[in-house]
Amino acid sequence: GNSVTQMEGPVTLSEEAFLTINCTYTATGYPSLFWYVQYPGEGLQLLLKATKADDKGSNKGFEATYRKETTSFHLEKGSVQVSDSAVYFCALRGSFQKLVFGTGTRLLVSP
Amino acid sequence: DAGVIQSPRHEVTEMGQEVTLRCKPISGHNSLFWYRQTMMRGLELLIYFNNNVPIDDSGMPEDRFSAKMPNASFSTLKIQPSEPRDSAVYFCASSPQGLVYEQYFGPGTRLTVT
Repeated sequence: GNSVTQMEGPVTLSEEAFLTINCTYTATGYPSLFWYVQYPGEGLQLLLKATKADDKGSNKGFEATYRKETTSFHLEKGSVQVSDSAVYFCALRGSFQKLVFGTGTRLLVSP
Repeated sequence: DAGVIQSPRHEVTEMGQEVTLRCKPISGHNSLFWYRQTMMRGLELLIYFNNNVPIDDSGMPEDRFSAKMPNASFSTLKIQPSEPRDSAVYFCASSPQGLVYEQYFGPGTRLTVT
C-alpha cells in the first residue's frame, strides 16, 4: 500500500538557518504529494502540493520538488523564522484515494 | 467564513463512559472526514462521508466507534464504551467534494480516557 516516511524530529534551528525536512514515499502509479503544517493547538493546514513529477510546490518561502526517480518530496526553506515552529506532515494521495500522512516532524526555531 | 468547528476542544472521561465528539463542516462542503492522531500511529483516517453518506469506514477501529452525519452541517463521532487506548486528538475535516479537493481541518478534540 501507499506509505510516507519522514525524518524524525525535533529539528532545532536558529532563526535564519536553512531548513530541510526529508520525505520519501512508496506508492503505485502517480500520486499527488503534499506538505501540511500544524501550529500548536490548531488543525492541519495545507502548506504546498505537487501533482506530477518535477513539479515544485511553494508557499510562504517553503518549497518542495516532486522527485519520482528518488521517490522524494523534501521540504526546504532558505531562512526560517520563529513563527515557523510547528509540526510538518508529508502526505500523499493516489488517484481517488484517501490521504496518507507521515508521522510528522516537529520544527523548533529559536531567536 | 467560519472554518470547521469541533466541540468540545477537550474531553476527559472515565473508562466505560460514552463519549460524543461533534463537528460542523464548512458551509457548502459536501465531504466530511474524521481522523485520529496519536503518537504511536500518527494521523489516521477513521471514516469519511460524501453528501451525508458514509463512503469508507475501513479505518474505524472497532464496533465501539460509530459516526453519523444526519445533515450537511453536523456530524458526530461516538465511542461507547470508551477505553484508555482511545485517548488521542480527533480531527474533523471537510472538503468541497470527495477526496480530490483540499481538506480543511478543524482544531481537534483532545480526548483523555482515564
